[in-house]
Amino acid sequence: GQNIDQPTEMTATEGAIVQINCTYQTSGFNGLFWYQQHAGEAPTFLSYNVLDGLEEKGRFSSFLSRSKGYSYLLLKELQMKDSASYLCAGMDSNYQLIWGAGTKLIIKP
Amino acid sequence: DVKVTQSSRYLVKRTGEKVFLECVQDMDHENMFWYRQDPGLGLRLIYFSYDVKMKEKGDIPEGYSVSREKKERFSLILESASTNQTSMYLCASSHATGVTETQYFGPGTRLLVL
Repeated sequence: GQNIDQPTEMTATEGAIVQINCTYQTSGFNGLFWYQQHAGEAPTFLSYNVLDGLEEKGRFSSFLSRSKGYSYLLLKELQMKDSASYLCAGMDSNYQLIWGAGTKLIIKP
Repeated sequence: DVKVTQSSRYLVKRTGEKVFLECVQDMDHENMFWYRQDPGLGLRLIYFSYDVKMKEKGDIPEGYSVSREKKERFSLILESASTNQTSMYLCASSHATGVTETQYFGPGTRLLVL
């Protein structure tokens, strides 16, 4: 079956770095997405990886290893506004997104 | 900027009522989706559409139907609402441009069925 696993909750300190991991099993693979969702709001697109390696976009970076079925989202210089849920989603061979349950990130001062 | 709007942010309905959730996007996207989001679960796809008048079942279509009469509008219908359909409903849209089909979401409708 298809499955996305990510931690339920993480806590980090303002100004620090945090890495949110995601492992995936999909029928075929057409890329891995990360979305951010603040409480009560819609998910918003953060990153897309389809090739192995690290993609950097400002304070946020996303990494993919297709051989390991693994991705992570790296957030640097954490700010209080980064407190949100981070959703990992794999795209299968039918271009359908398989979603993880999300990782709730709590930032402490 | 892509804008996806949903007709209501909060809705309270009674068991057995017919419920309509409307979604409109203004970016001429071909693809539109309806998801539900429940605590501890990933987004689950209810229905999607790749074109006007076209619809495909997602993972959990039972108890729901959809309508896409115009490209910009995708409606979700709960034929006879039940308490287990209490949830957050999210609409999304994307271009049909191959693998990088980034989905853009509406603000969501939180539905409570009593």
